[in-house]
Amino acid sequence: DIQMTQSPSTLSASVGDRVTITCRASQSISSWLAWYQQKPGKAPKLLIYKASSLESGVPSRFSGSGSGTEFTLTISSLQPDDFATYYCQQYNSYPFTFGPGTKVDIK
Amino acid sequence: QITLKESGPTLVKPTQTLTLTCTFSGFSLSTSGVGVGWIRQPPGKALEWLALIYWDDDKRYSPSLKSRLTITKDTSKNQVVLTMTNMDPVDTATYYCAHTLIVVVTLDAFDIWGQGTMVTVSS
Repeated sequence: DIQMTQSPSTLSASVGDRVTITCRASQSISSWLAWYQQKPGKAPKLLIYKASSLESGVPSRFSGSGSGTEFTLTISSLQPDDFATYYCQQYNSYPFTFGPGTKVDIK
Repeated sequence: QITLKESGPTLVKPTQTLTLTCTFSGFSLSTSGVGVGWIRQPPGKALEWLALIYWDDDKRYSPSLKSRLTITKDTSKNQVVLTMTNMDPVDTATYYCAHTLIVVVTLDAFDIWGQGTMVTVSS
């Protein structure tokens, strides 16, 4: 199985901050990586697919980059609605695997 | 508009079999490339992929749970059913179903998720 790690596990930030979350895969997954946002009590929401493609309807302040084994999710200017937990997921091969999550909370 | 909704028992006893149903609309599981997956999330923990079924009845399972899982589809009812045998308290989680696609051999992310259903395993 491909193992996914994320850093940091928790990130404290203020509205307007630029935020970067890193996701690493235990082996190359090309660009087959997705990022999801999850708020308490809600289902995950797809933000980014294929490492850097923005899902329809997702604000442009979200961006993704990377390939191979290292990926980043960037929020260019954090908004109040962005405080949530973020997960990466590889879909290069079965079994699909998720990262442990990064919680973005208010500083 | 694609929607999915999970249904099933909220409480099961240890050793029992869990049966969850995902009822969807806005797409057909007879359409080439379409898939529906199941993902779970224990309280306060990360997401875990469980299983996936495609339009052509190709089925994929998490290796760690494969012996306990069965995924099936009923195209006429727009439903996907997941059964998990020998339930244990560690299986307590919110269970989600989600829509995905496959184009030739290119896999895809889960773009639309159901709201999830919480299942507690306790005697």
